[in-house]
Amino acid sequence: AQSVTQLGSHVSVSEGALVLLRCNYSSSVPPYLFWYVQYPNQGLQLLLKYTSAATLVKGINGFEAEFKKSETSFHLTKPSAHMSDAAEYFCAVSFKTGANNLFFGTGTRLTVIP
Amino acid sequence: DTGVSQDPRHKITKRGQNVTFRCDPISEHNRLYWYRQTLGQGPEFLTYFQNEAQLEKSRLLSDRFSAERPKGSFSTLEIQRTEQGDSAMYLCASSLGGRGSGNTIYFGEGSWLTVV
Repeated sequence: AQSVTQLGSHVSVSEGALVLLRCNYSSSVPPYLFWYVQYPNQGLQLLLKYTSAATLVKGINGFEAEFKKSETSFHLTKPSAHMSDAAEYFCAVSFKTGANNLFFGTGTRLTVIP
Repeated sequence: DTGVSQDPRHKITKRGQNVTFRCDPISEHNRLYWYRQTLGQGPEFLTYFQNEAQLEKSRLLSDRFSAERPKGSFSTLEIQRTEQGDSAMYLCASSLGGRGSGNTIYFGEGSWLTVV
């Protein structure tokens, strides 16, 4: 079965500190992997995606994620947190062989402490 | 703005009433999706269209729910005889299907439904 697990429903970091949001996937076929961000009362905005090219993917707002097949992980990082990064972050997976939709994790709420 | 557009953004309805949401996808996108998101959860897939054909429906889509995309452009999601458990945000999304598209799905702002 294909699934996504986000470790930690809440993460708090100080402004300027490293942001690390964890995502592990389970898949029997090569996955596409995505990170989306959701601000309060808004829809989802695509941060970045992995589609089997470079394993280190750079996204918007200074975020990046690294696909590690051996660890089945796609963790999201940002070197220095900004207050505007406070939001809900969702990892999602879709699959190259026929699936036409995304499977989401339960989300991680990021709080940035001034 | 050429993103995915949803209307209305918020709807409060009494239990038992019918509601309809509209979605206008990104203009060149042939695929359209509906998702539902409840508080504290990630979005859950409801249904998917390629052009005007509804190709996939989740088991979450009970017989009170119906979605259409009559001309392969905008879509509507109707919920009949609403129940309190239907309270959620309904997200529409679209993508450009086909080889090399990378399955990137773009979301709208969502339509919040509150059933009282």
